[in-house]
Amino acid sequence: EADIYQTPRYLVIGTGKKITLECSQTMGHDKMYWYQQDPGMELHLIHYSYGVNSTEKGDLSSESTVSRIRTEHFPLTLESARPSHTSQYLCASSESGRNGYTFGSGTRLTVV
Amino acid sequence: DQQVKQNSPSLSVQEGRISILNCDYTNSMFDYFLWYKKYPAEGPTFLISISSIKDKNEDGRFTVFLNKSAKHLSLHIVPSQPGDSAVYFCAAYSQGGSEKLVFGKGTKLTVNP
Repeated sequence: EADIYQTPRYLVIGTGKKITLECSQTMGHDKMYWYQQDPGMELHLIHYSYGVNSTEKGDLSSESTVSRIRTEHFPLTLESARPSHTSQYLCASSESGRNGYTFGSGTRLTVV
Repeated sequence: DQQVKQNSPSLSVQEGRISILNCDYTNSMFDYFLWYKKYPAEGPTFLISISSIKDKNEDGRFTVFLNKSAKHLSLHIVPSQPGDSAVYFCAAYSQGGSEKLVFGKGTKLTVNP
């Protein structure tokens, strides 16, 4: 049974549309992360949060934005989707980096 | 500068043989290491970890070896099975640093029947 949920699993959307990728966890973790993974395999950190009302940009510049109004919820928003945003988006949470991350199943986004 | 390096983008082995995936790191402050496994269209799943105070940790078919002096760790899978075909990520953590894991770029393992 998954403790971190991402919806939708797959999304095909037209250029210029606003989209929100949902991520929720039931473990009470303070720390949450968004990664982007293209077919080249590398995981790119695009956003992270260490608690409510705390968000930071990651190592890879992204046009997306995030919010953390509740501990369990960490949605990612693209105001105007473009084909260059086509990728897999992975959400993760952790109690501590030492305990590792629990990842969601990911959202495969295709912008046409 | 990449602190965690997986220099082999891909590895192909025969079913039943040993798979050895390698990972090098540059930051001597890392004190905990983890391996994740990822299938396409799914999120990474935790596989096995090792603390810097140990040099070996074993869990079934999976063993991780750590050589601190060489700043090198390896994941051994014995025997390899076709279901092990996936991308494997090495990750490192420093208790005194950022709370973030530092991931390698991944190695794609293919186990041929």
